Amino acid sequence: GQSLEQPSEVTAVEGAIVQMNCTYQTSGFYGLSWYQQHDGGAPTFLSYNALDGLEETGRFSSFLSRSDSYGYLLLQELQMKDSASYFCAVRAAPAQGGKLIFGQGTELSVKP
Amino acid sequence: GAGVSQSPSNKVTEKGKDVELRCDPISGHTALYWYRQSLGQGLEFLIYFQGNSAPDKSGLPSDRFSAERTGGSVSTLTIQRTQQEDSAVYLCASSQTGKQSYGYTFGSGTRLTVV
Repeated sequence: GQSLEQPSEVTAVEGAIVQMNCTYQTSGFYGLSWYQQHDGGAPTFLSYNALDGLEETGRFSSFLSRSDSYGYLLLQELQMKDSASYFCAVRAAPAQGGKLIFGQGTELSVKP
Repeated sequence: GAGVSQSPSNKVTEKGKDVELRCDPISGHTALYWYRQSLGQGLEFLIYFQGNSAPDKSGLPSDRFSAERTGGSVSTLTIQRTQQEDSAVYLCASSQTGKQSYGYTFGSGTRLTVV
């Protein structure tokens, strides 16, 4: 099966950089994804890593190390609107339908 | 449509009643997923439809839960004899087959409250 661990909450200051970690245990690995969810809103897709290394999209970067079963989401130049919950998710094996299995999420609070 | 549409957005029901939740995925997306999210928690997988294949029902918590997808498009999640522990936000998502890098597109969810 799959399981993921994320810190429950992180607090950072506007303009700073924050890193949110995710460790996972899977039987086979088929990619790590990140989603953002504002209070009361729908989760929205941020990034996907299939291979080791850093993927950058504007202020957001996502890193993966398959040998360490570890990834992180990096947010730069934090803004108040970045306050949200951030979920990492791994894809189940194709034999299990390839569905996404989500972590419990990290709640990010950005302070002025 | 432009996005994933779910209805109703809110549903309050009495314990023991049946409820139906609807999801209209993005046109052309062959994969459709249902997840449940309790307050402050992560997303719990319920069921997955892929084209004409048999659905993956491995996440349904009990036989009171069922879902169908008609014509490869609209899906309905039915909860029979609702219990208070069923109270949660039920999220639907769709995706393009084979486009893992594009991610899922989620609807805004149905907030179910069982009283």
